[in-house]
Amino acid sequence: GNSVTQMEGPVTLSEEAFLTINCTYTATGYPSLFWYVQYPGEGLQLLLKATKADDKGSNKGFEATYRKETTSFHLEKGSVQVSDSAVYFCALNAGGTSYGKLTFGQGTILTVHP
Amino acid sequence: NAGVTQTPKFQVLKTGQSMTLQCAQDMNHEYMSWYRQDPGMGLRLIHYSVGAGITDQGEVPNGYNVSRSTTEDFPLRLLSAAPSQTSVYFCASSYSMLPGLEQYFGPGTRLTVT
Repeated sequence: GNSVTQMEGPVTLSEEAFLTINCTYTATGYPSLFWYVQYPGEGLQLLLKATKADDKGSNKGFEATYRKETTSFHLEKGSVQVSDSAVYFCALNAGGTSYGKLTFGQGTILTVHP
Repeated sequence: NAGVTQTPKFQVLKTGQSMTLQCAQDMNHEYMSWYRQDPGMGLRLIHYSVGAGITDQGEVPNGYNVSRSTTEDFPLRLLSAAPSQTSVYFCASSYSMLPGLEQYFGPGTRLTVT
């Protein structure tokens, strides 16, 4: 079946530090890949996505590249801010008979200190 | 647009009670779904709908019922609440179930079953 594995958290960084959150996946075919972010007390919102191999998704200074050879979609940001503190979820949609289902990783809690 | 709205935000039930979690969207989306979020497990799909009158089970459907009488509304019914249903519930919607599309999430309902 399909699955997503994220690096264990929580992750604690100082402001302006470099961020990497690792994400690897298992899926048949060619899934679409997503990073969703959940700010405290809120629902999930899309941060970025990539729909085919070698695509790079980017938004708000965050980037992730769809690497089919390593089945990875690692999230990076060059300089984090306190306002980036949130829970980050990697997810895939395998299409076909998955009927729109998003398969999520377990989430990574990020805390950024001033 | 209000986007995806959910009510209530918080609910406490006793074991055996029933209730309905409400979800509505004003984006004319055909695809709607319900997820539950548990610590360390990401989000898991309960039920989904690809249009009015059409619903199907996700990966954890036991103990839950859904119906879709209109495009806008997709309520989730707990038939006889159990402590294992203590969770945060999110409703999501998308224009269709195509894999590359963004899914929009509501703010969630935090349910505690005692």
